Amino acid sequence: DAKTTQPPSMDCAEGRAANLPCNHSTISGNEYVYWYRQIHSQGPQYIIHGLKNNETNEMASLIITEDRKSSTLILPHATLRDTAVYYCIVRVSGNTPLVFGKGTRLSVIA
Amino acid sequence: EAQVTQNPRYLITVTGKKLTVTCSQNMNHEYMSWYRQDPGLGLRQIYYSMNVEVTDKGDVPEGYKVSRKEKRNFPLILESPSPNQTSLYFCASSFPSGAGNLYEQYFGPGTRLTVT
Repeated sequence: DAKTTQPPSMDCAEGRAANLPCNHSTISGNEYVYWYRQIHSQGPQYIIHGLKNNETNEMASLIITEDRKSSTLILPHATLRDTAVYYCIVRVSGNTPLVFGKGTRLSVIA
Repeated sequence: EAQVTQNPRYLITVTGKKLTVTCSQNMNHEYMSWYRQDPGLGLRQIYYSMNVEVTDKGDVPEGYKVSRKEKRNFPLILESPSPNQTSLYFCASSFPSGAGNLYEQYFGPGTRLTVT
């Protein structure tokens, strides 16, 4: 699987949008971009995934650049409960394992 | 409620004493997997199972065994635990992904294991 690069940490004010970047410059055409998060030693939680087009669900939006070499996860109105480590993962379809890197530790501040 | 459960949640044991960590899911998922999480190393896959009676090694299978006799259960067995297996363990499940489709994995709450 392609590797991803994420900033180790970010802060965000409560109520503001949190924009978490991810670089995946070696992504191949059949690899999806996944986002998971892990709240303090709990099990990772799926957030969203996409291939080429931007995606939105009840939790977040995923913006993928046209060349697919980077993406941004957007939490539109961050709350204190969004404080977590966010993982960007690229993965082909099929039952390949999720490869978690170090992620970005997002701190939402009141 | 759709969920993955693990037991026990916390376990302290001694070197060499066999133990089993259970994992159960109620979503009728075919795919199940075990991960371990260590500081600085992230989550690493230990074993996975595509369906009943089908298991395969992940990235770090040494020292572990699994079985998949029923769809809902996927126990992790440590025949002779050692201190380097002290870790946080997660079980996960999903529907099987195929070409062109992907399903998210649901994770259990974790089992914190300490081997002394």
